[in-house]
Amino acid sequence: QSTLTQPPSASGTPGQRVVISCSGNSSNIGSNYAYWYQQLPGAAPKLLIYKNNQRPSGVPDRFSGSKSGTSASLGISGLRSEDEADYYCAAWDNSLGGWVFGGGAKVTVL
Amino acid sequence: QVQLLESGGGVVQPGRSLRLSCAASGFTFSSYGMHWVRQAPGRGLEWVAVIWNDGSHEYYRDSVKGRFTVSRDNSKNTLNLQMNSLRVEDTAVYFCARANTAMGPLCMDVWGQGTTVTVSS
Repeated sequence: QSTLTQPPSASGTPGQRVVISCSGNSSNIGSNYAYWYQQLPGAAPKLLIYKNNQRPSGVPDRFSGSKSGTSASLGISGLRSEDEADYYCAAWDNSLGGWVFGGGAKVTVL
Repeated sequence: QVQLLESGGGVVQPGRSLRLSCAASGFTFSSYGMHWVRQAPGRGLEWVAVIWNDGSHEYYRDSVKGRFTVSRDNSKNTLNLQMNSLRVEDTAVYFCARANTAMGPLCMDVWGQGTTVTVSS
């Protein structure tokens, strides 16, 4: 099963903006919504962004999502220490008939 | 509040079977599809299977097709994953997740805490 491509890591100092990319193809991100999940150490994943750029209730507006063609991105503004986590993109894949995830990007706050 | 609680994990030998369960509460279980997602030690998330809210459709990742079966009992608010012919590479934490179509087709919006499956001789 194919996966979406993410950088393995990203980092920034407190207050900075970090952007994480997610590259897919025409079968997944190119024709379906992109989603983003945050996984804190030792915890279950949490939905961060749905339908490309929508935030569930309770998710701070420091988190933003966008999509263009077959790629999506997650932005974290005003970086905080509590943002240190793994971030995964995900999408339904029409060719595979299932969900695919990115490999995850570990965000470090320096 | 919405809760999902997985159970049934454990240590099993290759080739054997295991049945996982996910108890749902705090929402109308029969109105939502449900997913299983797994995470091997130190690795990323991997989608395993999804079942429609009424159990009418199921989809699986290729590597578990023919070995895993997802089912549900809407009268008991329970989701199950029957895992047969287990392989070492099935070792992972298994999460159940709710599929909330209001947030997008089969969007995984709420997750349980996971149950650990270890396949080892």
